Amino acid sequence: EAQVTQNPRYLITVTGKKLTVTCSQNMNHEYMSWYRQDPGLGLRQIYYSMNVEVTDKGDVPEGYKVSRKEKRNFPLILESPSPNQTSLYFCASSVRQGRGETQYFGPGTRLLVL
Amino acid sequence: AQKVTQAQTEISVVEKEDVTLDCVYETRDTTYYLFWYKQPPSGELVFLIRRNSFDEQNEISGRYSWNFQKSTSSFNFTITASQVVDSAVYFCALSEEVKTSYDKVIFGPGTSLSVIP
Repeated sequence: EAQVTQNPRYLITVTGKKLTVTCSQNMNHEYMSWYRQDPGLGLRQIYYSMNVEVTDKGDVPEGYKVSRKEKRNFPLILESPSPNQTSLYFCASSVRQGRGETQYFGPGTRLLVL
Repeated sequence: AQKVTQAQTEISVVEKEDVTLDCVYETRDTTYYLFWYKQPPSGELVFLIRRNSFDEQNEISGRYSWNFQKSTSSFNFTITASQVVDSAVYFCALSEEVKTSYDKVIFGPGTSLSVIP
């Protein structure tokens, strides 16, 4: 079954305590991306990756790091989380083929930073 | 700078009515991609469609159809014979092709659709 998995699904942490949200896809997709969703601010892209070792900043990259060492994994790293990073995070993977595209999202990770 | 506007914040329709969700975009690029996504009350995000800027052919998928008009910078989404399961927030998004065919994506604020039985 084609899927994007994220872990953890829910996380409560404290300011400054480093954390990693994992994202893994089983479809051999080249493109992966991280988004955050906040009430009143909508959906915003954090980072994206076009392939292994190729990443670039989205709209709101500050305070986040990513890595793409393997095609299937695209972890999101918060080196020193702050309360303004409390949000709902989505990982996605996709592949473009001609006119078409296949895109899948993970179930989301709800993060609370105290 | 790129921008996506979804002027309709909330729409309510009665089941079986047709409904059109508007999306207007701004870009200086000649090559770009437009997307629609669905987020039902359960919270997951579902990809619906991608359209390339050089492909103005309208798309139909079952009860869903999309009308892309470059002249008005619009990419509207119509649901025919709406059903309660169509109740969701719908997001339009834009990606400009700057460095590669994949580039950063910006989203509109979303339109919340309620289909009343």
